[in-house]
Amino acid sequence: QVQLVQSGAEVKKPGASVKVSCKISGYNFRNYHLHWLRQAPGHGPEWMGWINPDTGDSKYAQRFQGRVTMTRDTSISTAFMEVYGLISNDTALYYCARGITGVGWFDPWGQGTLVTVSS
Amino acid sequence: EIVLTQSPGTLSLSPGERATLSCRASQSVGSTYLAWYQQKPGQAPRLITYGASKRSTGIPDRFSASGSGTEFILTISRLEPEDFAVYFCQQYGLSPPTFGPGTKVDLK
Repeated sequence: QVQLVQSGAEVKKPGASVKVSCKISGYNFRNYHLHWLRQAPGHGPEWMGWINPDTGDSKYAQRFQGRVTMTRDTSISTAFMEVYGLISNDTALYYCARGITGVGWFDPWGQGTLVTVSS
Repeated sequence: EIVLTQSPGTLSLSPGERATLSCRASQSVGSTYLAWYQQKPGQAPRLITYGASKRSTGIPDRFSASGSGTEFILTISRLEPEDFAVYFCQQYGLSPPTFGPGTKVDLK
């Protein structure tokens, strides 16, 4: 079945960067966009951007431009998201999720990666 | 960006009762560009409906969604114990896609 498995929890200091991975199985990695979202405790999810695994093209939400990079390695069906210049407000659960295209709904989601930013 | 507002914040009901959840958009998202998700504690969101009214694979028919423009509704006809969770709406009519703050359906 379709699965998205993310890397484990991270604790980072303010100003550091974090790289989260998302390994997919159960479908052709190149056929669907891969989106990244985050969710702070008690809030709805927030969309961060997408990568097209086939072409490597990406699009980021305006508030994350310059602070996020999304990449992929098609040989291992894995997508990556790196966030730079972490601040305490970046503490959240980070999710990858499959999308039909760059616009649409998200299904399914990875299990989430908790990133904690603390001095 | 489009802001989504959900009401009520919390809905306290008993198994077998009907749940009606509302999602309102700050501007039109079109006729079909809305999805609903269910999230249980410690789990990722799970797609319930998309295209305003289409159920995702494996979602029972007690879940139904309707609406267009700025007003959307998710109805759970008869609550089962596994339906007690938080529900989010998401619009994808205009980039960036945005989510509402959620409605918690809890046990009365």
